Amino acid sequence: QVQMVESGGGVVQPGRSLRLSCSASRYPFSSFAMHWVRQAPGKGLEWVAGISDAGISTYYADSGKGRFTISRDNSKNTLFLQMSNVTTEDTGVYFCARVVRGGDPWTALYNWGRGTMVTVSS
Amino acid sequence: QSGLTQPPSASGSPGQSVTISCTGTSSDIGGSNDVSWYQLHPGKAPKLIIYDVIKRPLGVPDRFSGSKSGNTASLTVSGLQEEDESDYYCCSYAVTNTLAFGGGTKLTVL
Repeated sequence: QVQMVESGGGVVQPGRSLRLSCSASRYPFSSFAMHWVRQAPGKGLEWVAGISDAGISTYYADSGKGRFTISRDNSKNTLFLQMSNVTTEDTGVYFCARVVRGGDPWTALYNWGRGTMVTVSS
Repeated sequence: QSGLTQPPSASGSPGQSVTISCTGTSSDIGGSNDVSWYQLHPGKAPKLIIYDVIKRPLGVPDRFSGSKSGNTASLTVSGLQEEDESDYYCCSYAVTNTLAFGGGTKLTVL
């Protein structure tokens, strides 16, 4: 079955950078858009960023615009989220997810990983 | 970017039905059929239970159903079972090329 595994989380100081990765397997990775979604402690889900199947189009929530960069390497079935100038408000579990339907970046998020925890603290 | 509005909690007894609402605007739910619902258990990967407003992925019981009227989407769980106790989130595409999530509803099976 489809597998998504996030990595790269950890403790980082405010103002520093961090790169998250999401390794996907058992489906044609390059045929589906991908998204990052986060959940702050005790809070709900928040969409962070999305990228089209070929990686040509990228989309961001206001909270990460100018600080986060989503990218993908289709040759390695891997999705990335480069986070810079992080703040305490970026603390949370970060999930990667694949859309349910190829060719449309805005369909539902079908397969999710278990997430990687990012803690921003001095 | 505004979020969608869900009740913070809902409850029902085993065998009963419960409906969770999700209210947005004409810029998201009202203008999109990309409305979905997710079930979250702590420590687990979120699970898609409804997409395209009314569709169920393979393996999701038909006790779960979705609907939409105007700017409000709804998730109905019929024949409640103990295993349905979880957090549920709605989500919609928004015209600004973003995704909007609801604040989540904690469903308790009494």
